[in-house]
Amino acid sequence: NAGVTQTPKFRVLKTGQSMTLLCAQDMNHEYMYWYRQDPGMGLRLIHYSVGEGTTAKGEVPDGYNVSRLKKQNFLLGLESAAPSQTSVYFCASSYAKWGNQPQHFGDGTRLSIL
Amino acid sequence: AQSVAQPEDQVNVAEGNPLTVKCTYSVSGNPYLFWYVQYPNRGLQFLLKYITGDNLVKGSYGFEAEFNKSQTSFHLKKPSALVSDSALYFCAVRDNGGYNKLIFGAGTRLAVHP
Repeated sequence: NAGVTQTPKFRVLKTGQSMTLLCAQDMNHEYMYWYRQDPGMGLRLIHYSVGEGTTAKGEVPDGYNVSRLKKQNFLLGLESAAPSQTSVYFCASSYAKWGNQPQHFGDGTRLSIL
Repeated sequence: AQSVAQPEDQVNVAEGNPLTVKCTYSVSGNPYLFWYVQYPNRGLQFLLKYITGDNLVKGSYGFEAEFNKSQTSFHLKKPSALVSDSALYFCAVRDNGGYNKLIFGAGTRLAVHP
């Protein structure tokens, strides 16, 4: 049982380049989330999805797009990377039932924008 | 507005001594509170949660947390610290907007010295 898997683990981009981060979960969770982690700021929610084919904006959505074509996958896209998007990106997932389920996290993607 | 505060950037404790990592929250209604731990180059791991009931919640790895409604606090505790407990700890509160979204504190780095 792999849980939440993120690819790639590391990436270096030049300003203006685009890329897609992939998150896959094998727990049949309905909800999925993308966060960014910056020093001293905790985790901030970028976008989330409550089911296949649905996405919604979080706290810091600007400059990012997401898609959830399959229940197990949640993609985060950067169309034109900027140095301010240098961060560690985490994907998480949780069950919908009961409304108090913990989120399960992947090990992150470390992204540097030069 | 909902928020979580972790007033200490770092907590230092000697191995074998008790430890406390502080967390206060601001949320309307009854809070759902969580603690997560992050080891270097890893994602967040769920430790424990408070939903309702007993104010003392027990979790993984010998950790426990005390909920205090009057002080709006949810401090993480362990009776005897281990060097292996050294990590980054995050407190979180469930967002009233639903979908198990979480609002995280900035994190507290715990350093346990031999």
